[in-house]
This record gives sequence, structure tokens and C-alpha cells, in this order.
Amino acid sequence: QSVLTQPPSVSAAPGQKVTISCSGSTSNIGYNYVAWYQQLPGAAPKLLIYDSDNRPSGIPDRFSGSKSAVSATLAITGLQTGDEADYYCGTWDSSLRAGVFGGGTKLTVL
Amino acid sequence: EEQLLESGGGLVQPGGSLRLSCAASEFSFSSHAMAWVRQAPGKGLEWVSGISGSGENRYYADSVKGRFTISRDNSKNTLVLQMTSLRVEDTAIYYCASDQYRGGLVWGQGTLVTVSS
Repeated sequence: QSVLTQPPSVSAAPGQKVTISCSGSTSNIGYNYVAWYQQLPGAAPKLLIYDSDNRPSGIPDRFSGSKSAVSATLAITGLQTGDEADYYCGTWDSSLRAGVFGGGTKLTVL
Repeated sequence: EEQLLESGGGLVQPGGSLRLSCAASEFSFSSHAMAWVRQAPGKGLEWVSGISGSGENRYYADSVKGRFTISRDNSKNTLVLQMTSLRVEDTAIYYCASDQYRGGLVWGQGTLVTVSS
């Protein structure tokens, strides 16, 4: 059971938009930076979004993030087949004094 | 671009020990907190341990507390995870990660640890 809650899977057609939610609490998302990671099959995770809504250089603006209270959302527009991957949210939990991740969401581009 | 290269993974029997290393390059190592994150076969990401840039503060997941020790040598740009009393459930790919972007982690390619008799 993960501290952060994500839907197990989402799907959408190429060119469409999809959102992935990440629900937590005041001890984690509520007061700490939230990041999103993409993990392609057989690869290491890659940082997509940091501090809730910022992209590292090289990440397309098709990927965006937002945060409200104790939840965060990753949005992907203009879906491509190459976006099929597992997506994870992550943050620090001030009560646990540990890093925490969501269980991951598998994106299928139909 | 930041680079992280893990080493030290392998096959070990239950109850055994293993030492993982992570060589960092292309960034100011001592300025960044570091972490180990693992992924069991077919499972999600699990944060294992973290350490501040100076090495003064260390944190552990409950699942490894008392068995794993994280450390760093800022003179050698190296992060280490000493693992003892290994269990079958510790089998995973272990990733070294650097907090480069206000909580956003940059990851190495990982090293596989298999605990089996």
C-alpha cells in the first residue's frame, strides 16, 4: 500500500489529453515539493516535473503538472505512442521522514 | 549533464551482505542530497534511504532500518549503500538518485541485487 495514491492505469487515443492524479496528505504533498517521473519499459525513471509544475530542460511542454492542497496532477497533451510508460509521483513525507512514491500509473495510448 | 553510475549488485544468499556504490560526475556532488530507490521485479518504486549533501543527516525506510547504512564521500563523489542481513524481499534493481531540482530526482541506470539461496 503506497503512501501516495495513483490510478493503476489510464488510456487515451493518440493526439488526445490524459491526466494522472496523485493523492496524499498534509505531511507529504501538502507541504513538500512534488515530482513526476516517466519510466519507459526496461529503462530507469526519468524526471518529468519538479516542484509541482516545473519542467527540466529538454522535457516537452506537452507535459505539465499542478498541485492543489494534498493532491497533484500530471497532464499530457498531444499523446504519442512513445508516451506509453509507467508514471510515478514522488515527494518527501515530513512525518515519516522518508521519501514516498505513488504506486505508479500505466499509460496506454490506444 | 549529471551522471550517476551504480555498481556492486549481484547474487547473495539470504542473511548475506552487499555494498553498492554510485559514482557521480558532471555536477557539484556535495551540494546535493542523494538517495537510493529500489524496484522489485514487476513492482513500483520504493524509496530506501537518503542523505544530505554534507552527510550529516541520514534517513531510512522502515523496511531497511537497522540493516542498511547510507554514506557518502564528497572527496570522491561517491555514494554508498551498505546492506546487511539481506532478505529475499530485498531483491530489486537499486537506483542511485540525486536531488537536482527542488525534490526532483535525477537517476542512474540501476544495479540488480538478487537475494536467493
